[in-house]
Amino acid sequence: AQSVTQPDARVTVSEGASLQLRCKYSYSGTPYLFWYVQYPRQGLQLLLKYYSGDPVVQGVNGFEAEFIKSNSSFHLRKASVHWSDSAVYFCAVSSSNTNKVVFGTGTRLQVLP
Amino acid sequence: NAGVIQTPRHKVTGKGQEATLWCEPISGHSAVFWYRQTIVQGLEFLTYFRNQAPIDDSGMPKERFSAQMPNQSHSTLKIQSTQPQDSAVYLCASSFDNAETLYFGSGTRLTVL
Repeated sequence: AQSVTQPDARVTVSEGASLQLRCKYSYSGTPYLFWYVQYPRQGLQLLLKYYSGDPVVQGVNGFEAEFIKSNSSFHLRKASVHWSDSAVYFCAVSSSNTNKVVFGTGTRLQVLP
Repeated sequence: NAGVIQTPRHKVTGKGQEATLWCEPISGHSAVFWYRQTIVQGLEFLTYFRNQAPIDDSGMPKERFSAQMPNQSHSTLKIQSTQPQDSAVYLCASSFDNAETLYFGSGTRLTVL
């Protein structure tokens, strides 16, 4: 069965600082990996996704993530955060064998001005 | 394209009453998903449909929850005899094809008194 672990429930950083949000997944096959963001009182929106190929994928608003198969990780990074990046970030896993997308518990990011 | 539409935005029920939540997926999308979001449990997968057929309902509480997709333009999630622990935000999402990006609605916040 698929599962996703986001070990940090909350992360606080100052505006302009770099960011890494951690994600580890468990799946026996070839995973499809996603990061979604949820702004207050909204549904989730896709930030980026990885299916295959280059393990570093670029997303919207300067976010990127790196798939490291040996570590079963798909951490999200941003070089310089803005206060508007404050939101909840979800890592998710799926596969070519199933439509079922399983989400982690989310990391709430607070960016201090 | 109006995106995924969920109605109502908020629903308040008394304990033991029935609640029906509606979802209109994006036109042309073949898969529809239901998730439940709470602070404690995060995003829990409930069920999904592909081409209107139920594919995986492994996340559905068996006794009081049911989901249907009578046509390609809407899906419903029905909760019978609602209990306070059913209080959550219920999110509907649709996708174009297998393991593709999920497009989420804004959710229905269910409060059971």
